[in-house]
Amino acid sequence: GAVVSQHPSRVICKSGTSVKIECRSLDFQATTMFWYRQFPKKSLMLMATSNEGSKATYEQGVEKDKFLINHASLTLSTLTVTSAHPEDSSFYICSAVSGSSTGELFFGEGSRLTVL
Amino acid sequence: QQQVKQSPQSLIVQKGGISIINCAYENTAFDYFPWYQQFPGKGPALLIAIRPDVSEKKEGRFTISFNKSAKQFSLHIMDSQPGDSATYFCAASGGTYKYIFGTGTRLKVLA
Repeated sequence: GAVVSQHPSRVICKSGTSVKIECRSLDFQATTMFWYRQFPKKSLMLMATSNEGSKATYEQGVEKDKFLINHASLTLSTLTVTSAHPEDSSFYICSAVSGSSTGELFFGEGSRLTVL
Repeated sequence: QQQVKQSPQSLIVQKGGISIINCAYENTAFDYFPWYQQFPGKGPALLIAIRPDVSEKKEGRFTISFNKSAKQFSLHIMDSQPGDSATYFCAASGGTYKYIFGTGTRLKVLA
């Protein structure tokens, strides 16, 4: 299957700082990527849809000024958590749609953010 | 109507046994039903998926049973192994790639 890579896998930051998480499709072009948030022992919650070359579409209740998403190329989307606070600590996962897939999403390995 | 209800929340099975996880949906516009396996600290990985035009799909030890009239689908893991211990998520989508995920089932297979 297609490979989606996330970086970093773990990040610890101080409260008030900003953190950028990268999501790359390694062997295919992804016009659409998705960002999810997952709390411990919970399901995946869709945060936003990232479209190459256009603004991201955020789900209801997700602060777009807090979670900045950029999809500057067909293989890279970034999520920046701005002015992070401890309540932003979570597992963030991206996924991408392969152009050749038939409805299949490929997920990254996830990024564990801990805000002190 | 957008929810996907998943049960049980947790499941313990003996090695060699059959693990069964169930999901139910309301939205009849859903036309793609994947199952994902997730290990701790990792992203979900696609296990198997089905579309409503078939009632069953089997891949190795994993089988999806699909009941369109009841709006239910289930995952069966035959000959369950300790390495299958993970969290399993069902999902549904309809015409888009915005998946609606179930709440997850934590499976533990005892050696």
